[in-house]
Amino acid sequence: QVRLQQSGPGLVKPSETLSLTCSVSGGSIRGYYWSWSRQSPGKGLEWIGYVFYNGTTNENPSLKSRLTMSVDTSKRQFSLKLHSVTAADTAVYYCAAGNGWNDFWGQGILVTVSS
Amino acid sequence: EIVLTQSPGTLALSPGERAILSCRASQSFSSNSLAWYQQKPGQPPRLLIYDVFIRPTGIPDRFSGSGSGTDFILTISMLEPEDFAVYFCHQYVSSPRTFGQGTKVEFK
Repeated sequence: QVRLQQSGPGLVKPSETLSLTCSVSGGSIRGYYWSWSRQSPGKGLEWIGYVFYNGTTNENPSLKSRLTMSVDTSKRQFSLKLHSVTAADTAVYYCAAGNGWNDFWGQGILVTVSS
Repeated sequence: EIVLTQSPGTLALSPGERAILSCRASQSFSSNSLAWYQQKPGQPPRLLIYDVFIRPTGIPDRFSGSGSGTDFILTISMLEPEDFAVYFCHQYVSSPRTFGQGTKVEFK
């Protein structure tokens, strides 16, 4: 059973970088696609992208220019950085793991973009 | 991008009734790459069905998935009180992966 624990700030200033980390316990870091999604009242669930254990990524084209995803297999963590954020990036951010579908989800972090 | 449209937006039912939730894709699928999730307030989504009809271990058999092409269905055979929640479909056949907007199953 894979468990995902998310960490990161809940408040980010406009134009700055949103940084979140997901720590993995249980399961193999090589066994899944490690993904990020977000959920806001106005837009529902939005897929952000995923990173594989070897560093291969697949990003949502709508966010790709501002997005950096990475994985650290030694720490059993994967990370999301979203640059140049605006109020439209305010949402609950989830990390997840699966093989296409998402079997396991983190608890979610509400990130508010505000000065 | 494949757009998933769920209907109805809200379904008002009583415990013991059958719920039928629809998910229609803007393009036909070439594989069974569709999942369903349940979400309750303040919680992350929970996987119910993947590859159209496969239930993960621990998901009750009152939940079943079906469909192909552009039309997919989640059926809850007899609603239990804990089943009142929001349900999302999700396609992972092509990038960007997308979710439906959700169907809320509420008490009648």
